[in-house]
Amino acid sequence: DAGVIQSPRHEVTEMGQEVTLRCKPISGHDYLFWYRQTMMRGLELLIYFNNNVPIDDSGMPEDRFSAKMPNASFSTLKIQPSEPRDSAVYFCASSPGQGGADTQYFGPGTRLTVL
Amino acid sequence: GEDVEQSLFLSVREGDSSVINCTYTDSSSTYLYWYKQEPGAGLQLLTYIFSNMDMKQDQRLTVLLNKKDKHLSLRIADTQTGDSAIYFCAERGVNTGFQKLVFGTGTRLLVSP
Repeated sequence: DAGVIQSPRHEVTEMGQEVTLRCKPISGHDYLFWYRQTMMRGLELLIYFNNNVPIDDSGMPEDRFSAKMPNASFSTLKIQPSEPRDSAVYFCASSPGQGGADTQYFGPGTRLTVL
Repeated sequence: GEDVEQSLFLSVREGDSSVINCTYTDSSSTYLYWYKQEPGAGLQLLTYIFSNMDMKQDQRLTVLLNKKDKHLSLRIADTQTGDSAIYFCAERGVNTGFQKLVFGTGTRLLVSP
């Protein structure tokens, strides 16, 4: 398996622009997670899905952030409008949801810079 | 909410053992994990331990769990320069919604030759 795939790997945009981050989870995994990593706040869970349905979005910072999972193999995280404080590395992770340790597998991340 | 704490930095010499410590607050914790993050990369699972175990060994890695004190440690034997990275402790339990992981702040391990 190719693992969790994220695109783009790097994104540089100007304040006020819309940004869309993409994620393809590992095939067969039922859970998908979006995280944000910054030096100041560490690793934060933004939202997670189970079988394409959002379960907990309490970590989404504000209404400028939205996430969708239209099917089992694709998810997007959108920021509109973007602000400099959104600059961070955004990770997508997936897990099987089969019980036990149910390990989360992380993608390589998207480094977002908002100027 | 539940919390996981780690020291920020550890420096060792190549060939020595490294011990990275973690404390957590979740009394309902079921699984605890150690992840490694190299520069510019995502988090890679190293190992995990079920909460009813007190030790797990996997090659150079030894995980010790003291459930009473809510203390987890990761020992890396014969540390190599390639082990230099950030190490994250994480836990999962009923109190955190079971499916969610709570991560520590990460410990930056620097291995000098």
